[in-house]
Amino acid sequence: GESVGLHLPTLSVQEGDNSIINCAYSNSASDYFIWYKQESGKGPQFIIDIRSNMDKRQGQRVTVLLNKTVKHLSLQIAATQPGDSAVYFCAEGGSYIPTFGRGTSLIVHP
Amino acid sequence: GAGVSQTPSNKVTEKGKYVELRCDPISGHTALYWYRQSLGQGPEFLIYFQGTGAADDSGLPNDRFFAVRPEGSVSTLKIQRTERGDSAVYLCASSLSGRNTGELYFGEGSRLTVL
Repeated sequence: GESVGLHLPTLSVQEGDNSIINCAYSNSASDYFIWYKQESGKGPQFIIDIRSNMDKRQGQRVTVLLNKTVKHLSLQIAATQPGDSAVYFCAEGGSYIPTFGRGTSLIVHP
Repeated sequence: GAGVSQTPSNKVTEKGKYVELRCDPISGHTALYWYRQSLGQGPEFLIYFQGTGAADDSGLPNDRFFAVRPEGSVSTLKIQRTERGDSAVYLCASSLSGRNTGELYFGEGSRLTVL
């Protein structure tokens, strides 16, 4: 089975709101996680990563939170814009090969 | 600057035929990955190259699938005796080293349709 999975297949938000996309993982030994964004007809694009020695990491308008106790991570997008509409994947990095879950489709309404 | 280039972008073939999908990674990237993505699913790992050698081919579904990277740059994914279940988008990605990095650069994929 999959080592990572997302809670919701679709998330709809209003432009300007904050978005939170959640992800659970099953392997307590996992020590590296990545979030990708995939727009229609394109390949996944790296957003941000986090290692297990951290519980929070921030990028431009995005924050990833890692809760190792419950094996959960989330991607928070501030002030969501129409250009953020895409499918978001969390992936477990392992040593060399990112393993992807099914993805959450983020729909941003103007 | 050139990203990862994949050709063809679309390929329609008949069941039983042979296909080749090409990936041209970012110059200087030693690590190259092939993934397969079905509709509504996340990318599924197929094979990983470090330089010219296949460091991990555990994701190849069966012996009809084969990939090469003879000079450590361009890679070709080869599928023999295609089946309808092989229909998917085949994604190629490259990265600088591959070691414990999730920053893969993906191409736009080759959409394979087997009739």
